[in-house]
Amino acid sequence: EAQVTQNPRYLITVTGKKLTVTCSQNMNHEYMSWYRQDPGLGLRQIYYSMNVEVTDKGDVPEGYKVSRKEKRNFPLILESPSPNQTSLYFCASRHKYRGLSGAYGYTFGSGTRLTVV
Amino acid sequence: AQTVTQSQPEMSVQEAETVTLSCTYDTSESDYYLFWYKQPPSRQMILVIRQEAYKQQNATENRFSVNFQKAAKSFSLKISDSQLGDAAMYFCAYRSPKFPSGAQKLVFGQGTRLTINP
Repeated sequence: EAQVTQNPRYLITVTGKKLTVTCSQNMNHEYMSWYRQDPGLGLRQIYYSMNVEVTDKGDVPEGYKVSRKEKRNFPLILESPSPNQTSLYFCASRHKYRGLSGAYGYTFGSGTRLTVV
Repeated sequence: AQTVTQSQPEMSVQEAETVTLSCTYDTSESDYYLFWYKQPPSRQMILVIRQEAYKQQNATENRFSVNFQKAAKSFSLKISDSQLGDAAMYFCAYRSPKFPSGAQKLVFGQGTRLTINP
């Protein structure tokens, strides 16, 4: 089954304790992105990647890091989490070429609910 | 920068009736893509319908259709014969065709929570 897999689904952590949220896709997609969802703000892009070793900042990158060492994986790293990073996080991917990802849209993971206390 | 606005934080409708969710956007581009995503309580983001700006014909997917008004920069979603399973948060989203950053990013509205009353 074609999918984007995120782990963990829920995570509670303490301020300053480094964490990684994993994301893996099995569709050979070039493009991958991370979003955070907050009430009243919708989803906002944190980082994106166009291919292996090619990443760039989105709209809200502060406090986050990413890496793309393999095409299928795109982990999100919070090196020193703070309470304002409490949010719902989504990983998403799509094929580079129009028409080859179904509806030209993204395939999303199931989300990671992160709470930083 | 493009922005997307959903002015209805919450909507409700009786089962089997029709409801329209509003979305407006701001852009200086002439070609772009618009989407409606559904997020049920499971949190999964499900693509409902898409529209390419160069196409004048409004997109339709079964009970879901859009009213795309390019000049007014409006992209509303109509759900006909509402069902209990339609209850969800609905997000309107914009994507630029520009390479590379635009191709990467969906710009989302704030969301509209839809309740279906039995």
